[in-house]
Amino acid sequence: GENVEQHPSTLSVQEGDSAVIKCTYSDSASNYFPWYKQELGKGPQLIIDIRSNVGEKKDQRIAVTLNKTAKHFSLHITETQPEDSAVYFCASEREYGNKLVFGAGTILRVKS
Amino acid sequence: GAGVSQSPRYKVAKRGQDVALRCDPISGHVSLFWYQQALGQGPEFLTYFQNEAQLDKSGLPSDRFFAERPEGSVSTLKIQRTQQEDSAVYLCASSVGLANNEQFFGPGTRLTVL
Repeated sequence: GENVEQHPSTLSVQEGDSAVIKCTYSDSASNYFPWYKQELGKGPQLIIDIRSNVGEKKDQRIAVTLNKTAKHFSLHITETQPEDSAVYFCASEREYGNKLVFGAGTILRVKS
Repeated sequence: GAGVSQSPRYKVAKRGQDVALRCDPISGHVSLFWYQQALGQGPEFLTYFQNEAQLDKSGLPSDRFFAERPEGSVSTLKIQRTQQEDSAVYLCASSVGLANNEQFFGPGTRLTVL
């Protein structure tokens, strides 16, 4: 089955710096790649997603890149703010799939 | 509008007890998912419903786990004869479409089995 690996497991950055989280996946049939942010005591919340027909997508300070050949995708957060501190999960899903496969998560700490 | 709600938010059970966890999805959402999230890990898929039909239960860890969605809206995840390894957060998510659509997650139910 699909395996998603996520790195790093923890990331500390200074406020205003950029943060990058990387994921690799194993199933070549995967074509939908969402990123979720989870705050303490809450469920995951979608922050951005990308489909396999697109190489990059941007939404204000957040961007995601996808390399289907290498089977990896990355989350980029620019101008980080303290409120960006949370756990971030990458995930993948097959076309016409019905389940997300999640990475193990990255704890992001933004120091002010 | 209202998001996905789950109840109870916290549940403590003695080993061997049965528990029932409830999920109220966003109104009109066709797809409903259950995930299990162990401490410090990402959510892991348990089961999927399309309306009232349970189309995938490949992630249920044992036959002690049972889920239903009889009228295509509210869903219940039942765990019989709970074991300590069942301790986790159980997340419910719903989606408006059938595949590759945003899944909206509830806050989860934290189950602790003593």
